[in-house]
Amino acid sequence: GESVGLHLPTLSVQEGDNSIINCAYSNSASDYFIWYKQESGKGPQFIIDIRSNMDKRQGQRVTVLLNKTVKHLSLQIAATQPGDSAVYFCAETLLTGGFKTIFGAGTRLFVKA
Amino acid sequence: KAGVTQTPRYLIKTRGQQVTLSCSPISGHRSVSWYQQTPGQGLQFLFEYFSETQRNKGNFPGRFSGRQFSNSRSEMNVSTLELGDSALYLCASRVQGAGETQYFGPGTRLLVL
Repeated sequence: GESVGLHLPTLSVQEGDNSIINCAYSNSASDYFIWYKQESGKGPQFIIDIRSNMDKRQGQRVTVLLNKTVKHLSLQIAATQPGDSAVYFCAETLLTGGFKTIFGAGTRLFVKA
Repeated sequence: KAGVTQTPRYLIKTRGQQVTLSCSPISGHRSVSWYQQTPGQGLQFLFEYFSETQRNKGNFPGRFSGRQFSNSRSEMNVSTLELGDSALYLCASRVQGAGETQYFGPGTRLLVL
């Protein structure tokens, strides 16, 4: 199957600090990029998305940055809270010829209280 | 509105058997995608259905198949199970043409012995 990466990097931050999670994507033709959060025993939950014609999008406490030149995506979480502890996945979506999403390997975020 | 539901939540099978998993999308969602999640390979796209038609397929062997019914409910089938098929199988639904946000179900955890 298609996937990106085999290892799960880990980021540990102190409660209240800002977190930055990075992701490299593979297909320059991807139309749409999404960040998901997955807690233990649950399916991925949508956090924020960005279209390929944008370079920044802000949500509540989260910001996604897209750098198409180097095919890099980042998720910034402001004032990280213990409830933010989870695995975070970036995903790239192609809308041509149907709908297909390729997920990154994920990053595990630990928030220390 | 009820979320995406998947049945069963847990399943144990033996090698060589076949299995059918079910997914009920959010009401009004016509696109259903299936993913396999394992610790080693991460989240991998299996296929996407829209209006009872498979529009896109990931790189999985023909033992993996699916279908979608007129009420948008979807099933996936895995025949001749192998140990490596042990995984969390996730279903996600979305509203075609109203943003690309996918909503995931809790998954079916399959263990092949």
